[in-house]
Parts: sequence; structure tokens; C-alpha cells
Amino acid sequence: KQEVTQIPAALSVPEGENLVLNCSFTDSAIYNLQWFRQDPGKGLTSLLLIQSSQREQTSGRLNASLDKSSGRSTLYIAASQPGDSATYLCAVRPGDRDDKIIFGKGTRLHILP
Amino acid sequence: GAGVSQTPSNKVTEKGKYVELRCDPISGHTALYWYRQSLGQGPEFLIYFQGTGAADDSGLPNDRFFAVRPEGSVSTLKIQRTERGDSAVYLCASSLVVGLAESTDTQYFGPGTRLTVL
Repeated sequence: KQEVTQIPAALSVPEGENLVLNCSFTDSAIYNLQWFRQDPGKGLTSLLLIQSSQREQTSGRLNASLDKSSGRSTLYIAASQPGDSATYLCAVRPGDRDDKIIFGKGTRLHILP
Repeated sequence: GAGVSQTPSNKVTEKGKYVELRCDPISGHTALYWYRQSLGQGPEFLIYFQGTGAADDSGLPNDRFFAVRPEGSVSTLKIQRTERGDSAVYLCASSLVVGLAESTDTQYFGPGTRLTVL
């Protein structure tokens, strides 16, 4: 059974710092991995999606890497801003492409002004 | 519409009552998903529709939960004899189509319905 774990559960850092959020998954047979952002009381916003054949994806100050063989992904946020404060969720789609997404519990990030 | 919409945004009900939660997917999206998110947890899969049919309902916790999508667009999640443990945020997502190309697999999520069972 695929399980997704995110470390740390919560993180507070001063504005301007670079930071890394970690995600691990137990079954390396995945179709893709996705990082989402969730703001309080709102839905999920997709940040980056990495296909199983890819090693990383970049969007602005965000960079996500994928090491499928070791079951790990990281989300790197450069030059953090107070507006980055949110919960970040890592999710994998199992090897069967027409299946659901399995989420981690998320990392609650707070950027201190 | 511009995105996935869900109604109501909040629903408070009493234990034992019946509730319906509605999801309007992005126009033209054939795949629709329901997830449930409890406090401090990530979303958990409930059911997935491809068109009008439920392609995977393995996440429904028991037979009190049922979902329909009669015309392949709007979906309704129905919960009978609600229990306090059903309290959660129910999220709906849609994607253009599943399994054909990378660009069409992305799931777009609605804002959710917060269900509180007293």
C-alpha cells in the first residue's frame, strides 16, 4: 500500500530564507508526483507536477525534484516571502494512470516577516 | 465556469440526518474525483468518475456514502445517517481526461465543502 510522508509537519522561517520541504513515498512505482499548496479554508492549487520519467520541475522560485528509486521528492522554495505561508501537500499518482492521488499530511509553512 | 465550484461551502447538520454535497467541474472535464480531508490530514480519495460511471469507488468508507454523476458533469455526494466522524472538508476535483497525455492529467480542485455533524 502506497504511503506518503512529509517532514517536517510544520516549519517557521524568517522571510528571505531558502527552504526545503521533504516528501517520501513507500512504493517507487508511481506515474507522477505533484506538489500542492493549500491556504486556510480554500482548495488545493497545483504548484508542480513531475512525471515519473522526469527528475525535476521548476516554476519561478519553486523547484521540485524527484528521486523515484529512493522514494523521495523535495520542494525547494527560494527567497521565501510571507505570501508563501500555507500548507504544502505532496501527492503521488500510483502506477495505474487512471487512479486516484495519494496525499501526504502536508507541511504547514509560516514565513516570518 | 472558470474553476471547480462546490456548494454549499459550509454545511452543519445533526447526527442521523441526510446530506447532499454538490460539485460543478470545469466545463469539458470528463474525470471527476471526490476526496475527504479531516483536520490535520491530507485529502483521502473517496470516488472517481470517468464520464457518468464510477470507475473507482474503493475509497468510500461504507454504504452510507454514495455519489452520482448522471449527465457526466455535475456530481452529488450523498451521505445517509450522518455520524460525527463524517465531519470533514469534502473536496472535489476534475481533470480533462485521464491516461492519454501528461498535460491532461492535472487535477483541479474546488474550495471544498466543510461538513460539521453535531
